[in-house]
Amino acid sequence: GAVVSQHPSRVICKSGTSVKIECRSLDFQATTMFWYRQFPKKSLMLMATSNEGSKATYEQGVEKDKFLINHASLTLSTLTVTSAHPEDSSFYICSARDGTGGPQPQHFGDGTRLSIL
Amino acid sequence: AQTVTQSQPEMSVQEAETVTLSCTYDTSESNYYLFWYKQPPSRQMILVIRQEAYKQQNATENRFSVNFQKAAKSFSLKISDSQLGDTAMYFCAFMRSSGNTPLVFGKGTRLSVIA
Repeated sequence: GAVVSQHPSRVICKSGTSVKIECRSLDFQATTMFWYRQFPKKSLMLMATSNEGSKATYEQGVEKDKFLINHASLTLSTLTVTSAHPEDSSFYICSARDGTGGPQPQHFGDGTRLSIL
Repeated sequence: AQTVTQSQPEMSVQEAETVTLSCTYDTSESNYYLFWYKQPPSRQMILVIRQEAYKQQNATENRFSVNFQKAAKSFSLKISDSQLGDTAMYFCAFMRSSGNTPLVFGKGTRLSVIA
């Protein structure tokens, strides 16, 4: 079945560092990918919709200059957390849908646990 | 805008017993898809079951089945013969059928299966 690969799975870095997270669709093309953030014991919160070849669409309250999204190909979207601070520590997870129509579910990456010291 | 409500933050069930997780949603769309996802401690998001709103027949996947009541906007998940491996967070999710749209999640229900 469809697989989405997310890398890295775990990042620990110092405050002020920029961190890039990759999300790849391995066996299908994804014109749209989604980025979610999940706090401990909470639900997934949509951050932005990543569109191949165009600008991402950000949800209200999400800083586009803080969370840079690039979707340069049909199989890769990246999320860069710029100048990360401790409050950016969270679990980030991406998803993509095989755009062949019908009730195709979202396929999720395994997530990235980001810890900013 | 669509909303998904899971009114049970936590539930527990004895191994081999049956448990039902509740989900209600609100939408003005006439056609859409509903999903249940499972998130174990590993935090992977695993699709459990899906339902197309235009189908009256309730979806079933082995020990998992749904009770889809479109008029009531209710989409509950029944887990039969509960197993220890079913222990996880369960999220109900809504997706519009038109366009490539994101999932709208409920707040989740933490299910513990007790030996």
